[in-house]
Amino acid sequence: ETGVTQTPRHLVMGMTNKKSLKCEQHLGHNAMYWYKQSAKKPLELMFVYSLEERVENNSVPSRFSPECPNSSHLFLHLHTLQPEDSALYLCASSQGEVGYGYTFGSGTRLTVV
Amino acid sequence: GQSLEQPSEVTAVEGAIVQINCTYQTSGFYGLSWYQQHDGGAPTFLSYNALDGLEETGRFSSFLSRSDSYGYLLLQELQMKDSASYFCAVRSGYSGAGSYQLTFGKGTKLSVIP
Repeated sequence: ETGVTQTPRHLVMGMTNKKSLKCEQHLGHNAMYWYKQSAKKPLELMFVYSLEERVENNSVPSRFSPECPNSSHLFLHLHTLQPEDSALYLCASSQGEVGYGYTFGSGTRLTVV
Repeated sequence: GQSLEQPSEVTAVEGAIVQINCTYQTSGFYGLSWYQQHDGGAPTFLSYNALDGLEETGRFSSFLSRSDSYGYLLLQELQMKDSASYFCAVRSGYSGAGSYQLTFGKGTKLSVIP
């Protein structure tokens, strides 16, 4: 475990379903991120939360809805997804000291059918 | 826009040295990071260079030349467990207290063979 825990590890959902991805960190970090990782593509930044406020929304479709109820938890709510949304969704956290980098979770492997 | 270029695949022999290059074009630059990701695992932070030069951490070293928009990761005394994907990432912005933006390359898949 890296200190950032993501659940579930795998998720299969239909295009009409609603599901949520959960991320939890107890590292005392004050920033959290959602990234999308697709095959043969760079990690794509989706959302950034700093001190529980969303500070970045990287032109993500509205079918993805983030929520950060406190500094330790981050959710990604999913509804009416498309097959092209199938990917590995990674959560990360960071503290102010850039030299320590992001701490990533192991991700949720999402398949939309 | 932002773009980072790195080789898609590299193969090297156990015990050897391998260098993974990264060139970048970004609208902002604060530093270059490297991450390692094993299949099915989380990316893990390896190094960060904000200034020109070489940073050494055990068997891994990272180099940055800001004037050339270029960096590399050097892995020495390769071991089988080093087989993984390696991503370079540019810190390209600051989003607020404790947060900063990273733009990632597509990753280099390193295969270490006996």
